[in-house]
Amino acid sequence: DTEVTQTPKHLVMGMTNKKSLKCEQHMGHRAMYWYKQKAKKPPELMFVYSYEKLSINESVPSRFSPECPNSSLLNLHLHALQPEDSALYLCASSRSGGGNTEAFFGQGTRLTVV
Amino acid sequence: GEDVEQSLFLSVREGDSSVINCTYTDSSSTYLYWYKQEPGAGLQLLTYIFSNMDMKQDQRLTVLLNKKDKHLSLRIADTQTGDSAIYFCAELRSYNTDKLIFGTGTRLQVFP
Repeated sequence: DTEVTQTPKHLVMGMTNKKSLKCEQHMGHRAMYWYKQKAKKPPELMFVYSYEKLSINESVPSRFSPECPNSSLLNLHLHALQPEDSALYLCASSRSGGGNTEAFFGQGTRLTVV
Repeated sequence: GEDVEQSLFLSVREGDSSVINCTYTDSSSTYLYWYKQEPGAGLQLLTYIFSNMDMKQDQRLTVLLNKKDKHLSLRIADTQTGDSAIYFCAELRSYNTDKLIFGTGTRLQVFP
């Protein structure tokens, strides 16, 4: 099983809403990532969790709040977003540290902020 | 700089070979990857190469790595219309934590 599952696939939210994106993997990976991808651009790293601890925050605004409740789950809580936050949000996972570190991506959540 | 560079666009005839190039930045990167992204979809890992290798072949895919020039290429043999997509190279920068940095992406268009 090399699957990373993201829900929902599509999300439309208003600027005053609170919503969450979810990501799940059962490969025993201990590193999980959130990326943001705007149209026709490469994915940009937002957050990295390693062994359920936040290890990288790429200066992401506080309206994005990540959470890693256990080694299989990664959430991204959204609050008071702006229209420019509309993008494809990708989750990925990999084995953390050393050895073969293939990173597998989910299909993404396409977020539209209205 | 920080950017991982790729040419923007490549157009090939079906049955020909495609070569997609990438110039990365960090000479200490341990792994280099090629991902494929079809419209509206996530990223599919195609293949990867460890930094102490100079070539890897996987069915129709051949990866070449020139570590001295920090140059990576992906050759697709017998390119098919289903290969039309955006291809991203990525480098793994491992300091305290693994950080995967993507190239700018190459749109491959295959015509009959």
